[in-house]
Amino acid sequence: EAQVTQNPRYLITVTGKKLTVTCSQNMNHEYMSWYRQDPGLGLRQIYYSMNVEVTDKGDVPEGYKVSRKEKRNFPLILESPSPNQTSLYFCASSPRQGLAGQNLQYFGPGTRLTVT
Amino acid sequence: AQSVTQPDIHITVSEGASLELRCNYSYGATPYLFWYVQSPGQGLQLLLKYFSGDTLVQGIKGFEAEFKRSQSSFNLRKPSVHWSDAAEYFCAVGRRTTDSWGKLQFGAGTQVVVTP
Repeated sequence: EAQVTQNPRYLITVTGKKLTVTCSQNMNHEYMSWYRQDPGLGLRQIYYSMNVEVTDKGDVPEGYKVSRKEKRNFPLILESPSPNQTSLYFCASSPRQGLAGQNLQYFGPGTRLTVT
Repeated sequence: AQSVTQPDIHITVSEGASLELRCNYSYGATPYLFWYVQSPGQGLQLLLKYFSGDTLVQGIKGFEAEFKRSQSSFNLRKPSVHWSDAAEYFCAVGRRTTDSWGKLQFGAGTQVVVTP
């Protein structure tokens, strides 16, 4: 089954304690992205990756890091989490082909992070 | 700058009634346009997309959307809603210049409540 998985699904942590949210896709997609969703703000892109070892900042990258060492994985790293990073996080993947094709962007189930 | 506006934060509709969700975009050229649905506790699912051609686009679950260039709008409609349509709906745009899933921009979302 084609899917994007995220772990953990729920996480409560304290300010300053480094954490990693994993994202993995089994569709051999080139593109992967991280979004955060906050009430009234919709989804905002944090980082995206167009292929292995190729990453770029989205609209709200501050306080986050990513890496893309393998095609299937795109972990999101919070080196020193702060309460303003409390949010719902989504990972997504899509194939290289352009937006006009028949391909779709697949979203993971989300990770709800609370930083106290 | 590119932007997406969903003017209605919250809409309540009776089961069986028609539904229309508004989406306006600000962009120098016609972008790619998408509607996503997010059911409670779920990730995002693509309902439909517009790239070119017929301005009335049919999607899944009985939804359709109409692109109106003169109004910079891409409103989503359903003739008769079901209780299962209660969800949050997001409009998104993608830039034709980059033709990349990696740079989708989302609106803030419209929460739809369906009453008996």
